[in-house]
Amino acid sequence: GQQLNQSPQSMFIQEGEDVSMNCTSSSIFNTWLWYKQDPGEGPVLLIALYKAGELTSNGRLTAQFGITRKDSFLNISASIPSDVGIYFCVGGSQGNLIFGKGTKLSVKP
Amino acid sequence: KAGVTQTPRYLIKTRGQQVTLSCSPISGHRSVSWYQQTPGQGLQFLFEYFSETQRNKGNFPGRFSGRQFSNSRSEMNVSTLELGDSALYLCASSVEGQRGEQYFGPGTRLTVT
Repeated sequence: GQQLNQSPQSMFIQEGEDVSMNCTSSSIFNTWLWYKQDPGEGPVLLIALYKAGELTSNGRLTAQFGITRKDSFLNISASIPSDVGIYFCVGGSQGNLIFGKGTKLSVKP
Repeated sequence: KAGVTQTPRYLIKTRGQQVTLSCSPISGHRSVSWYQQTPGQGLQFLFEYFSETQRNKGNFPGRFSGRQFSNSRSEMNVSTLELGDSALYLCASSVEGQRGEQYFGPGTRLTVT
């Protein structure tokens, strides 16, 4: 079946650092979405991408729909403490949504 | 607009019991999906309802069932609870045709003892 490989699984950030995460698959998707989940809450939609090659920004967040339609990345610039949480990528195809396992962002001690 | 609401937020049940969880979607959203989230398996799709009909179903046993009412509110039921059913159950609503732009509720934390 379709699977997404999301990496890294976890990372530590220091305030002000840029962060990058990505999702890859052997399957082609028509839609890529990125969600963020805070502890005890449901995921919140950050960015939705609908066309191969599309690059979309939402404040300090930038995401791209890979040209092969098999991958997507999310960048966070100048991270701040409230960026901590779990980020999920979602690939959409023919009405089905496949979730990545998530990237957990924590603050460096 | 009010967001997706789920009740109850927390629930503790005993093995063998059954449970019903409720979800009220965002006004105007006719599609409701249910997910199970566990640390080991991540987010797994249970089923999707649209206009009171189940449109998609994930790979879960028949103990998991759901329904949608004419006002788009949805319920999911788990019968004969097992310890492994302990999870966060998330409901998400979307506007038909929005290709995955789902809006999630805060979830119901179910603990089976």
